Amino acid sequence: EPEVTQTPSHQVTQMGQEVILRCVPISNHLYFYWYRQILGQKVEFLVSFYNNEISEKSEIFDDQFSVERPDGSNFTLKIRSTKLEDSAMYFCASRDQRGADTGELFFGEGSRLTVL
Amino acid sequence: ILNVEQSPQSLHVQEGDSTNFTCSFPSSNFYALHWYRWETAKSPEALFVMTLNGDEKKKGRISATLNTKEGYSYLYIKGSQPEDSATYLCAFIKYGGSQGNLIFGKGTKLSVKP
Repeated sequence: EPEVTQTPSHQVTQMGQEVILRCVPISNHLYFYWYRQILGQKVEFLVSFYNNEISEKSEIFDDQFSVERPDGSNFTLKIRSTKLEDSAMYFCASRDQRGADTGELFFGEGSRLTVL
Repeated sequence: ILNVEQSPQSLHVQEGDSTNFTCSFPSSNFYALHWYRWETAKSPEALFVMTLNGDEKKKGRISATLNTKEGYSYLYIKGSQPEDSATYLCAFIKYGGSQGNLIFGKGTKLSVKP
């Protein structure tokens, strides 16, 4: 069964360092997303991406964040200069182009980012 | 601020018990409600996507209902099994937002003892 894959599964970094989280969405999907969950809190929407551009982003997704689809398969989230509060589990998700009543998201297993 | 609340936060039941949990969401600007099942160390997996008031969906022993006028959805599990142990997340999509901008509740963590 097709699945969304994410790498790395866990990354530890120093504050101020750049981090790139990678995702390979399901191949025929057209819509891509990043979510995050800070420990003990709700899963939060970060950004949606369609047709090679950001279609919506949350207040969390500030200038330190960027997304890219560098080739036909990868979808990346870059954090330019990490802060302690960026420590979280980051989930990638994708969706095909069906309508609202069938448009479930397919999530990856997440990348845990720890900023020291 | 759009808020999605789930109750209870956690639930411990015996194998064979039936159980249900609640998701409350804003009743205005409703577009869709998603239910996901999230096992530890795995990815959240979609159970249901619901859009119509009065909708009832079923998948095996799990079913869900939706009331968009009063802003709640119930998830029912009949005859719980240990493999049902997981966190159950609901997520609301508001009208006018992108279909992937899900506003999640904190989840209900279900533990089923054999």
